[in-house]
Amino acid sequence: NAGVTQTPKFQVLKTGQSMTLQCAQDMNHNSMYWYRQDPGMGLRLIYYSASEGTTDKGEVPNGYNVSRLNKREFSLRLESAAPSQTSVYFCASSGSWVSEAFFGQGTRLTVV
Amino acid sequence: KNEVEQSPQNLTAQEGEFITINCSYSVGISALHWLQQHPGGGIVSLFMLSSGKKKHGRLIATINIQEKHSSLHITASHPRDSAVYICAVYGNKLVFGAGTILRVKS
Repeated sequence: NAGVTQTPKFQVLKTGQSMTLQCAQDMNHNSMYWYRQDPGMGLRLIYYSASEGTTDKGEVPNGYNVSRLNKREFSLRLESAAPSQTSVYFCASSGSWVSEAFFGQGTRLTVV
Repeated sequence: KNEVEQSPQNLTAQEGEFITINCSYSVGISALHWLQQHPGGGIVSLFMLSSGKKKHGRLIATINIQEKHSSLHITASHPRDSAVYICAVYGNKLVFGAGTILRVKS
C-alpha cells in the first residue's frame, strides 16, 4: 500500500500562475483533507471532503478550490497564485472525521 | 489565545533522558492525536486517544479530559527521536498545535 501520495513534491510558480496539487489514497478512506503548514503555525485546514461528492471549506479556503474526483483522489487548485500562498501543503485522509489521519509527504510551493 | 497550546516550543535533550511534551486545549474534544514530523517533512501518526493512556515502545501518551491536557513522554530518548511533535484535537473541527521541536543529542 502506498498510503497517501501527493504530487508534485516541489513547485515554484510565478505570481498569477495556476496549478493543481494532486492527492490520492489507497486505503478506501471516506475523508480527505488539504492543509497548509507555515513556520511557527500549526497545520491549518484549507478544505476537506467528508465523503465522495462533498467538499467543505476549512479555516483558510480563500484563493483555493478543490475537487473530490472520486473516493481515491482529492485535488487542490490555485487559480492565481500569490506570494502569500508560499507554504508546505499536506494532503491527508482518514476513515472518518474522528479517526486516525494519514498524511502525504507534502508539497513545498514557492510563489515568486 | 490559541485553542491548542504546546509546551515547550523547543526542547534539547541528551540521549537517554526522559522527555515530556505537553498539550493543553481550551475546547471540548472527542479525541486527541499526537503526530511526529521528521526533518524530511513527512508526518506520521503516533497515537490517537480519548481517555487514559496509550503506550507504544518507548512512547507513552496520556490525556486528562477534565483538565484539558495531554502529555507525550519519550523514555530513554535517542537521536532518532529528533523531530517535531504535533498535538491535534478533534472538537467541532480539527485544530493543530504549533508543534514542539525536539532535538536529542548523542
